[in-house]
Amino acid sequence: AQSVSQHNHHVILSEAASLELGCNYSYGGTVNLFWYVQYPGQHLQLLLKYFSGDPLVKGIKGFEAEFIKSKFSFNLRKPSVQWSDTAEYFCAVNAGRDDKIIFGKGTRLHILP
Amino acid sequence: DAGITQSPRHKVTETGTPVTLRCHQTENHRYMYWYRQDPGHGLRLIHYSYGVKDTDKGEVSDGYSVSRSKTEDFLLTLESATSSQTSVYFCAIRGTGGYGEQYFGPGTRLTVT
Repeated sequence: AQSVSQHNHHVILSEAASLELGCNYSYGGTVNLFWYVQYPGQHLQLLLKYFSGDPLVKGIKGFEAEFIKSKFSFNLRKPSVQWSDTAEYFCAVNAGRDDKIIFGKGTRLHILP
Repeated sequence: DAGITQSPRHKVTETGTPVTLRCHQTENHRYMYWYRQDPGHGLRLIHYSYGVKDTDKGEVSDGYSVSRSKTEDFLLTLESATSSQTSVYFCAIRGTGGYGEQYFGPGTRLTVT
């Protein structure tokens, strides 16, 4: 069965620090990969997506993610975080031509001002 | 914003009562989904629909039923609410990009006392 693992449940950083959130998935075939962000009290918003081509994808708000097929990973990065990046981040996978997305359990990011 | 509304946005109900949550979309999307979000569990799929009158179960479907009689509306019913169904419920639609990405509604916070 497909699964998605997010290694860090809770991350605390100071403003201007660099961010990397880990995500690994289990599926041997073609995948589409996503990162979602959920600000406090709000719904999930799509941050970025990968489906083919350049494995380094850029999303909104200065975020980027790198797809490494050999490692089954899709890590989220941001060079310099801001207090407003405080949120929960979810990695998700759509495998093959499945109708569904599998979500990781999320990483809570807290940025200290 | 994918033109998704959910109603009600907040509801408190008593154990044993039936509850129906509504998801409404305005952009004629074929696929619609119901998730619940609980701390430590991320998002879990309850049911989804791939067309009018076409629905399928997700990983946590017990105690829930759905109906889709019109493209724009997807209803989630708790036949007899229990305290374990206290949660935040999100509706989502599948985007038309062909890569499985989903876009979420604002959520309904349900409390079962």
